[in-house]
Amino acid sequence: KNEVEQSPQNLTAQEGEFITINCSYSVGISALHWLQQHPGGGIVSLFMLSSGKKKHGRLIATINIQEKHSSLHITASHPRDSAVYICADTDKLIFGTGTRLQVFP
Amino acid sequence: NAGVMQNPRHLVRRRGQEARLRCSPMKGHSHVYWYRQLPEEGLKFMVYLQKENIIDESGMPKERFSAEFPKEGPSILRIQQVVRGDSAAYFCASSKGPGELFFGEGSRLTVL
Repeated sequence: KNEVEQSPQNLTAQEGEFITINCSYSVGISALHWLQQHPGGGIVSLFMLSSGKKKHGRLIATINIQEKHSSLHITASHPRDSAVYICADTDKLIFGTGTRLQVFP
Repeated sequence: NAGVMQNPRHLVRRRGQEARLRCSPMKGHSHVYWYRQLPEEGLKFMVYLQKENIIDESGMPKERFSAEFPKEGPSILRIQQVVRGDSAAYFCASSKGPGELFFGEGSRLTVL
């Protein structure tokens, strides 16, 4: 069974800071999802990646399949980035416990 | 182009009643996934369906829970004889195949 772990569990930042959220998994996978869940509960898929790096606006996701590790970066963070960020392996859809991010003005 | 539609958004049931949650995938998507999120916990995979087939139900409780995705109409997650522990948010996601997922807004079940 794949174990998907995220760190940190909670993260606070000042507006403008660079944010990094990490995700490690125990069993090799073909691809990984990064999801964002807002306080209202809605879930948005941010990225699905199987290698290298993807960028969308201020969000950057990287993955190293050999090291079983992925990171989500947010540049120039903003209060509207406050949410829970979740990684999940795409093969069995096992989710990490999430990282709760709060960005203060 | 409507997204994944779930209804009802909120459902209240008394213990022992049945709950039916519906999920209409995005147009052109034939893969549907159901997840449960218990209060203050993470998302847990329940079941993966394609039209008229259950592909993976390894996350479904063995009793009282069932899911279907008929040829016509939405996917339905059915919970019989609900108990308080079933209170949770139930999310549906759809995709064209293995790949990017599109999530619904979720259905929040409260069991009194």
